[in-house]
Amino acid sequence: NAGVTQTPKFRILKIGQSMTLQCTQDMNHNYMYWYRQDPGMGLKLIYYSVGAGITDKGEVPNGYNVSRSTTEDFPLRLELAAPSQTSVYFCASTLRDAHEQYFGPGTRLTVT
Amino acid sequence: AQSVAQPEDQVNVAEGNPLTVKCTYSVSGNPYLFWYVQYPNRGLQFLLKYITGDNLVKGSYGFEAEFNKSQTSFHLKKPSALVSDSALYFCAVRDPSGTYKYIFGTGTRLKVLA
Repeated sequence: NAGVTQTPKFRILKIGQSMTLQCTQDMNHNYMYWYRQDPGMGLKLIYYSVGAGITDKGEVPNGYNVSRSTTEDFPLRLELAAPSQTSVYFCASTLRDAHEQYFGPGTRLTVT
Repeated sequence: AQSVAQPEDQVNVAEGNPLTVKCTYSVSGNPYLFWYVQYPNRGLQFLLKYITGDNLVKGSYGFEAEFNKSQTSFHLKKPSALVSDSALYFCAVRDPSGTYKYIFGTGTRLKVLA
């Protein structure tokens, strides 16, 4: 199993540009999550999904959108990038009855 | 509302000495509790969890944690620290009676000195 994979690893965006962060898991996990990690702030939940076709907002959803058309994929869309979205983004997945999360390697995004 | 506190930004310990990384939580019901470790430029890795049962849980790499309901704590411990244990440690909580969201602490940087 590859686990949770994320692409790209790094990206620099200009203010106002759009992009999609990709996340795929091959463990047949039910739940998937997007977090952002800012220095000294821990992880903040952006969006999560409990299954294909079902998504819900986390603590910091503004400026982001998600979709979950398959069990494996959970892309995160930034429509109009702002400097405040400079962060490291992590995707995670969980099997419903196991509870612990498996994390991808992260995407480091800079918006200038 | 759920919350997690890690009161120490950094913990320094000498190699071979026991280590403790503190975590306290607040949830309305019985919590699910987790510890994760993050090495530089990597994602978080699961160390151990408390769901139910024995208050002392053992995890990866010789780590263990004790669930204390009266003190609402879940401190991470290891009897003998290694230099390779130096990393960023996160405590997380989920209220199983609520949504499927997890709340993470702000992290504690562990530095093990040779």
